[in-house]
Amino acid sequence: GENVEQHPSTLSVQEGDSAVIKCTYSDSASNYFPWYKQELGKRPQLIIDIRSNVGEKKDQRIAVTLNKTAKHFSLHITETQPEDSAVYFCAASTLRAETSGSRLTFGEGTQLTVNP
Amino acid sequence: GAVVSQHPSRVICKSGTSVKIECRSLDFQATTMFWYRQFPKQSLMLMATSNEGSKATYEQGVEKDKFLINHASLTLSTLTVTSAHPEDSSFYICSARDPRGWTYEQYFGPGTRLTVT
Repeated sequence: GENVEQHPSTLSVQEGDSAVIKCTYSDSASNYFPWYKQELGKRPQLIIDIRSNVGEKKDQRIAVTLNKTAKHFSLHITETQPEDSAVYFCAASTLRAETSGSRLTFGEGTQLTVNP
Repeated sequence: GAVVSQHPSRVICKSGTSVKIECRSLDFQATTMFWYRQFPKQSLMLMATSNEGSKATYEQGVEKDKFLINHASLTLSTLTVTSAHPEDSSFYICSARDPRGWTYEQYFGPGTRLTVT
């Protein structure tokens, strides 16, 4: 089955700096890679996702890059703010023709702390 | 976006009792729902895939007789933790994808914090 590894486990940055979180996956059939932000005791919130037919996607201060050959993808947050502090999870999934969704395999998570 | 609810949000039960957790898709129909478990400071681990009208598919290592899943309608899946023990204490989260949408986003419920004493 799929295995997703995420690094680093903790990341501390100064406000305004950039943060980068990296993930690798094992199953070459995986074709959908979402990133989630989870605050303590809350549900995961999708912040950005990318499909395998795209190499990069950006949404304001957040970007994700995907290297299918190397089987790794990264989350980039620029101009970090204290409210970006949370746990971030990457995930991988294999989407098929059916529309009901596919199982997600999550990375171990990264605790991001943005210091004012 | 689509809304997924869970009930209860928190439950405390005694060891040996059973607890039922409900997951509802409020504004869409979901033939498939997913159940995850998250221990403190850990990641989400998929427990099982709930299929409407058929048996759930359990991940390796998850006891199907202990974690009973029933997906009796297109908007409701239930997870029953039978004969709960303290080690079952965890955060249980369900998710589903809105098939009407053009994205692949899965919507998560708010989670249920189970504490077994």
